[in-house]
Amino acid sequence: IAGITQAPTSQILAAGRRMTLRCTQDMRHNAMYWYRQDLGLGLRLIHYSNTAGTTGKGEVPDGYSVSRANTDDFPLTLASAVPSQTSVYFCASSAGTESSPLHFGNGTRLTVT
Amino acid sequence: GQNIDQPTEMTATEGAIVQINCTYQTSGFNGLFWYQQHAGEAPTFLSYNVLDGLEEKGRFSSFLSRSKGYSYLLLKELQMKDSASYLCAVRDPPGNTPLVFGKGTRLSVIA
Repeated sequence: IAGITQAPTSQILAAGRRMTLRCTQDMRHNAMYWYRQDLGLGLRLIHYSNTAGTTGKGEVPDGYSVSRANTDDFPLTLASAVPSQTSVYFCASSAGTESSPLHFGNGTRLTVT
Repeated sequence: GQNIDQPTEMTATEGAIVQINCTYQTSGFNGLFWYQQHAGEAPTFLSYNVLDGLEEKGRFSSFLSRSKGYSYLLLKELQMKDSASYLCAVRDPPGNTPLVFGKGTRLSVIA
């Protein structure tokens, strides 16, 4: 089934550790996104990529980095995790036109202790 | 930038009609999207409006007024499975910029 795959599904991480959240799509979508969702704050954009080889910063980029080496993969790295990064992380993709909706992966629930 | 407002919570009765409002303040506008999100799951796309008026899709309809910065999602013949959060999102110009989401409206459907 075509779609977006995120891994891991959930993770408990000690503060200070490095972590990479994986995201792969098989829809050949140009654009990909990382959002975090926190209770009372909704979905907030961390980083995005409009096409392979390019990335941009969203609303809350500090402490996170991304890369887009190819069309299918868009990993999100936390260089040194902090408790405030405890959240549910959603990866999404879109075909790249103005009317294109975002298609979301099932999310990664991350707890930083 | 965008400022998007939605009610935090709503309750409605099974079989009834409910209207979920969304207002936005923006320096530009390139379309408004509605998503449904069940607890513990990913958001799923419901509707897209870029021109003024009503878009109907089965039991769900979405309305847009660009001059008022206003949209609503109308759910008819409510079912228990419609209990979910409903997210309003706006796209800035130009082109395919990332969506900015409101905080969502949690709808509870009761018998």
